[in-house]
Amino acid sequence: KAGVTQTPRYLIKTRGQQVTLSCSPISGHRSVSWYQQTPGQGLQFLFEYFSETQRNKGNFPGRFSGRQFSNSRSEMNVSTLELGDSALYLCASSLEGTGTDEQYFGPGTRLTVT
Amino acid sequence: GQSLEQPSEVTAVEGAIVQINCTYQTSGFYGLSWYQQHDGGAPTFLSYNALDGLEETGRFSSFLSRSDSYGYLLLQELQMKDSASYFCAVRDRGYSTLTFGKGTMLLVSP
Repeated sequence: KAGVTQTPRYLIKTRGQQVTLSCSPISGHRSVSWYQQTPGQGLQFLFEYFSETQRNKGNFPGRFSGRQFSNSRSEMNVSTLELGDSALYLCASSLEGTGTDEQYFGPGTRLTVT
Repeated sequence: GQSLEQPSEVTAVEGAIVQINCTYQTSGFYGLSWYQQHDGGAPTFLSYNALDGLEETGRFSSFLSRSDSYGYLLLQELQMKDSASYFCAVRDRGYSTLTFGKGTMLLVSP
């Protein structure tokens, strides 16, 4: 079974631009979560989608948004990029009803804002 | 909200045993998870404790004490490949989001 895939793997943008990141979960997984990882802050939760609905949202400004499609693929968008948005953006998918918090992470998208 | 505290770095030698502690503050949670992340790689799930006590999976064990708001990951027979960052995480009942600690970097030396 294929793992979680994320595209693109690397991205360089300038301040003020916007960016869209894509995530394809493991087949059969309907829950997709997004995290921002930086050296100082660790893994910070952005949002979680389940069956095309945003189920939870982390403490990030409205510039960060996302969506999930009917095939469970998800995208996140960051508008008006700031230097502080430079980070590794990780997507994770999970199977409901396992009784654990096992999430399967993709390799991430490394975003650099200059 | 919730917060988790874990040491930023732990060092050990090959063959040794190391314990990575995690203390948490949350208004109620489902369980404590542990993830491993090698440099440049994606986090991978190691273990989950919903109940108090010890869970063993090969060389790795994880412990939870709800009354002490404390858990730990125990790594035995350390190998060089165990050098990585280890994160504890909890899912809060109220918010239902998975919150991660800032991670513990484990350095295993020969």
